[in-house]
Amino acid sequence: DIQMTQSPSTLSASLGDRVTITCRASQSINNWVAWYQQRPGKAPNLLIYKASSLESGVPSRFGGSGSGTEFTLTITSLQPDDFATYYCQQYHTYPWKFGQGTKVEIK
Amino acid sequence: QVQLVESGGGVVQPGGSLRLSCATSGFTFSTYGMHWARQAPGKGLEWVAFIRYDGKDKYYADSVKGRFTISRDNSKNKQYLEMNSLRTEDTAVYYCATDGGYGELLQWGQGTLVTVSS
Repeated sequence: DIQMTQSPSTLSASLGDRVTITCRASQSINNWVAWYQQRPGKAPNLLIYKASSLESGVPSRFGGSGSGTEFTLTITSLQPDDFATYYCQQYHTYPWKFGQGTKVEIK
Repeated sequence: QVQLVESGGGVVQPGGSLRLSCATSGFTFSTYGMHWARQAPGKGLEWVAFIRYDGKDKYYADSVKGRFTISRDNSKNKQYLEMNSLRTEDTAVYYCATDGGYGELLQWGQGTLVTVSS
């Protein structure tokens, strides 16, 4: 199985900060990575697919990059709604796997 | 708009069975692959299963293979997750989700809680 290792597990940041979350795959998965946001008590929400494609309706301050085994999610200017947990997911080979999650907290 | 509504969750004893349903509306169900994912209390997300739009291909997480069965009824716009031989570690909120076309989980329901406990 292809494993996804996400870091950091927790991130403290302030409004307006630039934030970067990293996900590393245990083997090359080309660009078959998605990123999700999950607020407490809510279902996840797709942000990015195919590593860098922004899902419709998602603010442009969210961006994804990477290919092969290293991927990043960047939030260019942190807004109040962005304090949440973020997950990466590989969909190169079944079984699909999520990363462990990164909780973005208010500093 | 797209709506996914899970039902069928509840409390079940270890070794028991449960059938989850996902009722959908707002899109052409018969043309979309569908997923189940779950989240144990206080834990991260785990992908559980996928079924192709026509039901002909199915994939499972190793943790549920042989115990869970995914199915769908395109005439009713519903998908299902039959769960047998349930274990305490299957306790989680179970989410139904549409496939975005490549494998990403596009639209999600609000989830249904399954608790496996004696």
